[in-house]
Amino acid sequence: GQSLEQPSEVTAVEGAIVQINCTYQTSGFYGLSWYQQHDGGAPTFLSYNALDGLEETGRFSSFLSRSDSYGYLLLQELQMKDSASYFCAVGGANNLFFGTGTRLTVIP
Amino acid sequence: DSGVTQTPKHLITATGQRVTLRCSPRSGDLSVYWYQQSLDQGLQFLIQYYNGEERAKGNILERFSAQQFPDLHSELNLSSLELGDSALYFCASSVEGLAGDFTDTQYFGPGTRLTVL
Repeated sequence: GQSLEQPSEVTAVEGAIVQINCTYQTSGFYGLSWYQQHDGGAPTFLSYNALDGLEETGRFSSFLSRSDSYGYLLLQELQMKDSASYFCAVGGANNLFFGTGTRLTVIP
Repeated sequence: DSGVTQTPKHLITATGQRVTLRCSPRSGDLSVYWYQQSLDQGLQFLIQYYNGEERAKGNILERFSAQQFPDLHSELNLSSLELGDSALYFCASSVEGLAGDFTDTQYFGPGTRLTVL
């Protein structure tokens, strides 16, 4: 079967750096995606990793290690508006599985 | 605004009833995905359509069905509703969406909140 694990909650200070980890177990792995969802809002695509390594998009970076079945999302220069839930998602054969989400709270 | 529209925004109905949720993808997107998000189950992929044909199926109950029409809008039909079906239902669209390949960026609509009483 498939499973994804990520921390349920993370708190970080404005201006700091935070890393949200995701470990997965799946068959037919295609890649690891990250989505952001503010309370009451829709998920928004952040990044996608198909190959090992780091992908950078502005303040956000995402990393994947296929051999370790592990990835993370790195958020730098945290802003108050980054307070949201972050989901990792694994694309497999004919399906897409989401983790249960990490609620990030940014404090002043 | 992602460009994906969903109607209705809210829906309240009783157990045993049937409802239809509607989704219009972004202009030019051929693929539509349906998701269910509930407090205890998180975000779950239900089904994907690509250019009118079913492309991938996730954890969709037999009481649920979907279709994509020639104009590419999609409908999700939920029947014999139970209390546990209360959730947010999201539709997403992407340009392509090859079978088994979820690498294409998905754009989510605002969702329909279904409450079953």
